Amino acid sequence: GENVEQHPSTLSVQEGDSAVIKCTYSDSASNYFPWYKQELGKGPQLIIDIRSNVGEKKDQRIAVTLNKTAKHFSLHITETQPEDSAVYFCAASKGGSYIPTFGRGTSLIVHP
Amino acid sequence: DAGVIQSPRHEVTEMGQEVTLRCKPISGHDYLFWYRQTMMRGLELLIYFNNNVPIDDSGMPEDRFSAKMPNASFSTLKIQPSEPRDSAVYFCASSPQRLAGIPNEQYFGPGTRLTVT
Repeated sequence: GENVEQHPSTLSVQEGDSAVIKCTYSDSASNYFPWYKQELGKGPQLIIDIRSNVGEKKDQRIAVTLNKTAKHFSLHITETQPEDSAVYFCAASKGGSYIPTFGRGTSLIVHP
Repeated sequence: DAGVIQSPRHEVTEMGQEVTLRCKPISGHDYLFWYRQTMMRGLELLIYFNNNVPIDDSGMPEDRFSAKMPNASFSTLKIQPSEPRDSAVYFCASSPQRLAGIPNEQYFGPGTRLTVT
């Protein structure tokens, strides 16, 4: 089955810095890669996703890149703000299966 | 839309008691998922439904766990009897189907924090 590795497990940055979270996956058939943000006491919420027919996608301060050859994808957050502090999860899934495999999560702490 | 609704938000019960968690998915979504989240194991998929039919329950840990979806707007996850190791946050999520065979984003509810003493 699919295996998703996520690094780092904890990331601490100063407000205004950039943050990068990386994930690798094992199943070359995976073609959908969402990122979720989970704030304390809440459920994960989708923040951005990418499909395997594109290499990069941006939405304001966040971007995701995908390298299908290397089987890794990354989340980039620029100009971080304290409200970006949360746990971020990457996931991978493929056509024909609606079950995403989640990474273990990255706790992002943005210091004001 | 109100999003995915779960109840109760918190549940504290004694070992051996029956626990029922409830979920109302987003209207029009074809898929419903039940997850369990713990520090040790992260997010675990327990079971998922497509058009009210259970498709994969391989994540259900034991026969003590059961899930139903009697209609498109309601699902339950039941634990009977409950044990302390069942303590976790349980999430329900729903997902739309736009094209056959194409996975899509999931919308999570706020979760139910279960504590079994």
